[in-house]
Amino acid sequence: GAVVSQHPSRVICKSGTSVKIECRSLDFQATTMFWYRQFPKQSLMLMATSNEGSKATYEQGVEKDKFLINHASLTLSTLTVTSAHPEDSSFYICSARDGRLAGGSEQFFGPGTRLTVL
Amino acid sequence: AQSVTQLDSHVSVSEGTPVLLRCNYSSSYSPSLFWYVQHPNKGLQLLLKYTSAATLVKGINGFEAEFKKSETSFHLTKPSAHMSDAAEYFCVVRTDTGFQKLVFGTGTRLLVSP
Repeated sequence: GAVVSQHPSRVICKSGTSVKIECRSLDFQATTMFWYRQFPKQSLMLMATSNEGSKATYEQGVEKDKFLINHASLTLSTLTVTSAHPEDSSFYICSARDGRLAGGSEQFFGPGTRLTVL
Repeated sequence: AQSVTQLDSHVSVSEGTPVLLRCNYSSSYSPSLFWYVQHPNKGLQLLLKYTSAATLVKGINGFEAEFKKSETSFHLTKPSAHMSDAAEYFCVVRTDTGFQKLVFGTGTRLLVSP
């Protein structure tokens, strides 16, 4: 149980275009989803936190107009990188948890999406 | 604010020898601590977690970690390394307020030689 999927696993796009990444909880309802960014050989940096039906809360230094996050249902969150540039190339990882459960604070991670902007 | 420091960016061991990955934490209260493993092209996997119960925590694949408050440490150990243990390991602390966010250490790459 507790499986989180991401789609696509890899995406290559041209500079200036927008890219949407999906994060789905497959066998549980995710009241909260998190989006992370990981540069090569570096750690994960939290970008934003989203609760279902609410606006995302962004970490300091993360441009909310560039990284649009939608969490419209209890099983799906999307991250849209708008007007992508080469410096946005990175590994994006989502995680999800069901905060309503006793002990439901554990986050389950998706496999990640490798974005390359040419 | 909570944080974790992983003291080694790389650790190299031979197969069959013990593994020690070091992590120190900083927290104003009793923290919730985790170790995750990341294999190439795979998602993060939870190895074990400490949430103020037993100080010696056993995880999957023979790993364990001991919470030492006096040393503010949460080192990860395994008695005998296997080739399949080669991966990136992250020590993580959870903020226990608000969204209960995870704060990741910088990671330790474990290399296992035959």
